[in-house]
Amino acid sequence: AQKITQTQPGMFVQEKEAVTLDCTYDTSDQSYGLFWYKQPSSGEMIFLIYQGSYDEQNATEGRYSLNFQKARKSANLVISASQLGDSAMYFCAFSGNTPLVFGKGTRLSVIA
Amino acid sequence: GAVVSQHPSRVICKSGTSVKIECRSLDFQATTMFWYRQFPKKSLMLMATSNEGSKATYEQGVEKDKFLINHASLTLSTLTVTSAHPEDSSFYICSASEALAGGPSTDTQYFGPGTRLTVL
Repeated sequence: AQKITQTQPGMFVQEKEAVTLDCTYDTSDQSYGLFWYKQPSSGEMIFLIYQGSYDEQNATEGRYSLNFQKARKSANLVISASQLGDSAMYFCAFSGNTPLVFGKGTRLSVIA
Repeated sequence: GAVVSQHPSRVICKSGTSVKIECRSLDFQATTMFWYRQFPKKSLMLMATSNEGSKATYEQGVEKDKFLINHASLTLSTLTVTSAHPEDSSFYICSASEALAGGPSTDTQYFGPGTRLTVL
């Protein structure tokens, strides 16, 4: 079974600084996808970024980038120039031959 | 694009009643829709996967007779919590994906805003 691990229950970052949220996964699937979602206090899940297992380049979407290290099975999310509005729960998710599996999440707090 | 709506956003009901939650993909056809449940400060727990026109696939431990799922069209799926009890109180969130050529591992799931159910 797929397993996805987010080891940081909570993180703090200073406004305008960059922050890395960790995510590791365990799978024997050859083809898979990794997703990051943001969940603010309102509860909605907002899709941020996607990385395919065969993508040669790390995914980037605006201030979000994914540091994908396939051999280490890690897919860390990097948020650059943090903003107060970035404070939220962040979930890493894995999709392979099974439905999406979520990590436990990391609560990011951006400090002014 | 890729907007998913969910209705109602919040519902309070009496124990023993049934509650229906709707999930709609507004600007794309969702071949697959998913229903999740989220407890406070916890991650999402997949309840079931539904494909348009076929029976839903429930995850282990989820009572299919209690959580009825209907995916009648490519833009609408409903979750009905039957004979609700206080322990069913939770945040229910749906997602929808559009099948792409790359296969399941590339399908991005887009989530609705969620429904907070409180059973008194």
